[in-house]
Amino acid sequence: SQTIHQWPATLVQPVGSPLSLECTVEGTSNPNLYWYRQAAGRGLQLLFYSVGIGQISSEVPQNLSASRPQDRQFILSSKKLLLSDSGFYLCAWSGGRGHRGANVLTFGAGSRLTVL
Amino acid sequence: AQSVTQPDIHITVSEGASLELRCNYSYGATPYLFWYVQSPGQGLQLLLKYFSGDTLVQGIKGFEAEFKRSQSSFNLRKPSVHWSDAAEYFCAVAPYSGAGSYQLTFGKGTKLSVIP
Repeated sequence: SQTIHQWPATLVQPVGSPLSLECTVEGTSNPNLYWYRQAAGRGLQLLFYSVGIGQISSEVPQNLSASRPQDRQFILSSKKLLLSDSGFYLCAWSGGRGHRGANVLTFGAGSRLTVL
Repeated sequence: AQSVTQPDIHITVSEGASLELRCNYSYGATPYLFWYVQSPGQGLQLLLKYFSGDTLVQGIKGFEAEFKRSQSSFNLRKPSVHWSDAAEYFCAVAPYSGAGSYQLTFGKGTKLSVIP
């Protein structure tokens, strides 16, 4: 069965420090991968999605970036964190084109980021 | 672009009572519709989905939802709520598409509290 792992679960970082959140998926190949941010009372905001290695689409301009160095690995990064980057970050995957589960998102457990 | 409205930010029900969470969507064609549940500090779990066919959809944990095209609604129901159902519930819509990559649009969520 497929599983998704996300780490770290909790992170407290000072303003201006770098960020790296990692997400990996097991048990499937060629998944679509997503990064969402959830701020209190604001629902979920899609940040990035990827349909393949090295292919990243950004939905919201910001000081965050994403990379997909391997088929089942998705990384969210920042060179210098802002206070406004605080939030709950969720990685998700779905099947790729033609995959039976192409239209269903499965989420990781999330990473709570606090920027001080 | 599609949009999702969950009119109720917070609902409180007594354990054993029935539940209905409202969801209205805006989309120009036949959408894919989803309900997700999120426990505090956790990721989102898929409760049920509607792609086509029978407009009454059964999900996990005893939940069901009914797609009403004429009302652009996809309300979630449960006949008897358990204390463990206390969580936040998100309705989501995706474009009807055969592509592997797509974007879900989420509502802002409805927080459910259950009184013992």
